[in-house]
Amino acid sequence: QLQLQESGPKLVKPSETLSLICTVSGDSISTSTYYWAWIRQPPGKGLEWIGTISSRGTTYYNPSLKSRVTISLNTSENQFSLSLTSAADTAIFYCASVAPYGHIDYWGQGTLVTVSS
Amino acid sequence: SFELTQPLSVSVALGQTARIACGGNNIGSKSVHWYQQKPGQAPILIIYRNTNRPSGIPERVSGSNSGNTATLTISRAQAGDEADYFCQVWDSSVLFGGGTKLTVL
Repeated sequence: QLQLQESGPKLVKPSETLSLICTVSGDSISTSTYYWAWIRQPPGKGLEWIGTISSRGTTYYNPSLKSRVTISLNTSENQFSLSLTSAADTAIFYCASVAPYGHIDYWGQGTLVTVSS
Repeated sequence: SFELTQPLSVSVALGQTARIACGGNNIGSKSVHWYQQKPGQAPILIIYRNTNRPSGIPERVSGSNSGNTATLTISRAQAGDEADYFCQVWDSSVLFGGGTKLTVL
């Protein structure tokens, strides 16, 4: 059974870079058949996919965020990370695993990142 | 670009059947997945690949997909089914519907 846990700052100033880490247990991110994803959800609103990375490091980004997003793997720590420049919106950020058929079967608990000066 | 359309809200009487639609152009040709999200919690997968239930999801939860509409059906609705429900597909990217709030009366 996979477990995912987000970590990182809970407060970011507007226009600064938001950086989060997802620690995965129960599988090796470098050999898994899963893809690894970041998803965000403004409070009271819907889910927005940010991007996905494969075990080989191939990335796929939401076109609306592509210029601001970087997702990368840290295989030695079994982690993957998110970097989002020009932070603007407060949201709950989830890391998750995407199964081969495209469904998300494991989610982290989510971390609320507030963007405020 | 492909879009998924869900009603903002659906109401169902206790013990009756709720149906939540997810519309998209020829969505029947895609695999649709459904998530339930309760307040303060992460979403959980309740239907994958149109009709499949993960372990632990009761049989009264089912899915279908044809034409331009995928449907999540919850039979014998319970108070504990009150939640937000999201549909999702893969269309060159992960795409979510806007979500439907289910109220059990």
